[in-house]
Amino acid sequence: AQRVTQPEKLLSVFKGAPVELKCNYSYSGSPELFWYVQYSRQRLQLLLRHISRESIKGFTADLNKGETSFHLKKPFAQEEDSAMYYCALRGAGANNLFFGTGTRLTVIP
Amino acid sequence: GAVVSQHPSWVICKSGTSVKIECRSLDFQATTMFWYRQFPKQSLMLMATSNEGSKATYEQGVEKDKFLINHASLTLSTLTVTSAHPEDSSFYICSARLPSGEKTQYFGPGTRLLVL
Repeated sequence: AQRVTQPEKLLSVFKGAPVELKCNYSYSGSPELFWYVQYSRQRLQLLLRHISRESIKGFTADLNKGETSFHLKKPFAQEEDSAMYYCALRGAGANNLFFGTGTRLTVIP
Repeated sequence: GAVVSQHPSWVICKSGTSVKIECRSLDFQATTMFWYRQFPKQSLMLMATSNEGSKATYEQGVEKDKFLINHASLTLSTLTVTSAHPEDSSFYICSARLPSGEKTQYFGPGTRLLVL
């Protein structure tokens, strides 16, 4: 069975400090991993996906198959990064996404 | 581009009534839409996958007679909560997937349902 685990419900960092939001997954095949972000009073939106290997808004995430992790990182947090972050998995050949429970990031000015 | 709307944004109804929620892809055609449910401080849970022109695929534990899904056109899917009860109170979110390419899912703003 597939599972996405985000161990931290809440995470607070100071502005300018590095931030890492943890995501571990369980899946028997080769999944696609995503990070979605939800800013206050806004809809859920895609932040980045592992196959793109891109940096969005300074965030990066590397898929580590050995550790089955897809942690989201940013070297210098900004106040506008404060939001709810969801890690999500899509199984090979599947249509739907399976979400983690989310981490609320607060960047303290 | 790729905007998904939901209507209504919130609804309050009496127990026993039925509530219809609409999900529209505004600037693209979506052969596949998804309906999620989110309880307070919990994650999004997929309820069903809505396929244009065919029956929806429901996740295990979701009553298809309770949550009726209709995807009659390439830009509209509806979720009807039939005979709603207080335990159906939740935040319902739809998403629509681009038909080709990256198949990214774009999410609607959600509909908050409160059943009294």
